[in-house]
Amino acid sequence: EAGVTQFPSHSVIEKGQTVTLRCDPISGHDNLYWYRRVMGKEIKFLLHFVKESKQDESGMPNNRFLAERTGGTYSTLKVQPAELEDSGVYFCASSQVWNSPLHFGNGTRLTVT
Amino acid sequence: GQNIDQPTEMTATEGAIVQINCTYQTSGFNGLFWYQQHAGEAPTFLSYNVLDGLEEKGRFSSFLSRSKGYSYLLLKELQMKDSASYLCAVRGNSGGYQKVTFGTGTKLQVIP
Repeated sequence: EAGVTQFPSHSVIEKGQTVTLRCDPISGHDNLYWYRRVMGKEIKFLLHFVKESKQDESGMPNNRFLAERTGGTYSTLKVQPAELEDSGVYFCASSQVWNSPLHFGNGTRLTVT
Repeated sequence: GQNIDQPTEMTATEGAIVQINCTYQTSGFNGLFWYQQHAGEAPTFLSYNVLDGLEEKGRFSSFLSRSKGYSYLLLKELQMKDSASYLCAVRGNSGGYQKVTFGTGTKLQVIP
């Protein structure tokens, strides 16, 4: 079984530019989550999809962040325009049902300069 | 909201036993997870406790006391490859939704 995959693994962009991160969950997992780890801090929840619907987006920092999951398969997270404080590692995770363990991807390390 | 506390760093000797503690505060508790994370890699699921007691899985065991808001991860027969961060995470109510919240992690260094 393929795990959660994320692309790209690294991204370096300038302040004001746009970046789109992609996550492919484990096949058959309806629940997809985005988390972010800023340097020295804990992994923080961003949002939760159930299939193509946003179940909970209470962790999204502001309206510069847009997440989509068209068709209920892969998901994208767009940051537009990027700011310096958006730098960090963005993790995607998926789970089969809402109360089962989360399986994480390797993350995308975003650096905004 | 949710609050999770665990030690920042620990050091232990190869072959020994180490216990990593985690205390938490949450409403609507629905499970506690332990993850292992090596630098630059994905957090890897280790264990899940939803009822009180000890769950054993090979060299790793995890304990939960819901009344005390307390868990520990026990690692036996430590190996050098066990050097990693260990993340305690709790599923509970936050902001009106059930979500999994992570602690800052405990960086474990195993020395020869």
